Amino acid sequence: GESVGLHLPTLSVQEGDNSIINCAYSNSASDYFIWYKQESGKGPQFIIDIRSNMDKRQGQRVTVLLNKTVKHLSLQIAATQPGDSAVYFCAENRASYQLTFGKGTKLSVIP
Amino acid sequence: NAGVTQTPKFRILKIGQSMTLQCTQDMNHNYMYWYRQDPGMGLKLIYYSVGAGITDKGEVPNGYNVSRSTTEDFPLRLELAAPSQTSVYFCASSYGQDSPLHFGNGTRLTVT
Repeated sequence: GESVGLHLPTLSVQEGDNSIINCAYSNSASDYFIWYKQESGKGPQFIIDIRSNMDKRQGQRVTVLLNKTVKHLSLQIAATQPGDSAVYFCAENRASYQLTFGKGTKLSVIP
Repeated sequence: NAGVTQTPKFRILKIGQSMTLQCTQDMNHNYMYWYRQDPGMGLKLIYYSVGAGITDKGEVPNGYNVSRSTTEDFPLRLELAAPSQTSVYFCASSYGQDSPLHFGNGTRLTVT
């Protein structure tokens, strides 16, 4: 089965609220994780990454949290905007040079 | 920089036909990748390359071939198209092993 998976396949949030997208991984040897955003008809776009020697990393309106104890990754989007509507994927480097992607969570922002 | 450019954007093939999906990047990245994305699914790695002249199989290489004669180009070849190869194909490149991948906008392939 998939090593990288998502707890919620769809997520609807009100504009202005914070969004939290979760991801579970099963390979404790993975040491690099990435979140991607994919809009319809486009390729995945890099959002933020984190290495296993960190618990938290912040970007512009986004924060990634890594809990290695329970093998859990989350993406937090602050003040969600309509432009944030997309499918979000987490990915881990389960093997050298190979990123393994989860199935994705669709985020819908309600104006 | 144009980033990662894929051609064509769309293609319809008949079973048994062959084609080459083109991918080029202008970021001087050594690492390049081909992924396929089936509806409602994540991306699965077909082949990857860590530099010109070097290619390796990913998770789902059967039915595909690649070559890497230059740093910029990484074409994906389908020799005998099958309906199971209907998918969206994404090419990507990265600076290093643990670096973000930069993706192209994909080629949507239908095999009928």
